[in-house]
Amino acid sequence: DAGITQSPRYKITETGRQVTLMCHQTWSHSYMFWYRQDLGHGLRLIYYSAAADITDKGEVPDGYVVSRSKTENFPLTLESATRSQTSVYFCASSLRGGYGYTFGSGTRLTVV
Amino acid sequence: DQQVKQNSPSLSVQEGRISILNCDYTNSMFDYFLWYKKYPAEGPTFLISISSIKDKNEDGRFTVFLNKSAKHLSLHIVPSQPGDSAVYFCAASELSQGGSEKLVFGKGMKLTVNP
Repeated sequence: DAGITQSPRYKITETGRQVTLMCHQTWSHSYMFWYRQDLGHGLRLIYYSAAADITDKGEVPDGYVVSRSKTENFPLTLESATRSQTSVYFCASSLRGGYGYTFGSGTRLTVV
Repeated sequence: DQQVKQNSPSLSVQEGRISILNCDYTNSMFDYFLWYKKYPAEGPTFLISISSIKDKNEDGRFTVFLNKSAKHLSLHIVPSQPGDSAVYFCAASELSQGGSEKLVFGKGMKLTVNP
């Protein structure tokens, strides 16, 4: 199916564990983004990528790692999860970044 | 420093009336503005946009107004419907000077339309 998909939709993990959130898009969009949504903070950019093998930090990158070996995939890894990383994570893709994005459905991550 | 501000966290209106959602920005280089709508348990979806060369853009019940001198934009929904109840995000980017790679979002406003 065409579009942008995130997996898993829900994840519960323990403090200190590594967890990877997946994002896959079928449009061959150059740009991909990871945001987190928290009450009172809106959407905050974690990392973004302008093309395969090109990534850059956003507003809140600490504790996260990204990679983009293929245009269609942009996984987000929490190296050692903390409770403060409990959030809803949204992946987005765009043909031309500043013109607007298409978002995935989100992953709700709970760190206990 | 927040470059895109949605100062009211929530708004409640009656079905059939007008909803006005406001957004202010501080970066004078922003020249493209968007509104996204988000339902619970779903990702944000694009609603409407406006370029800085315009002061109004209309799409059905949704109209966005841009006041560049005041660095202010607003989204009008007329008439409001219960299905419009959602969180609305204002976003901006700098498309000139080679283009912008990313959007800057406001914190969002929760709109509730009561039947």
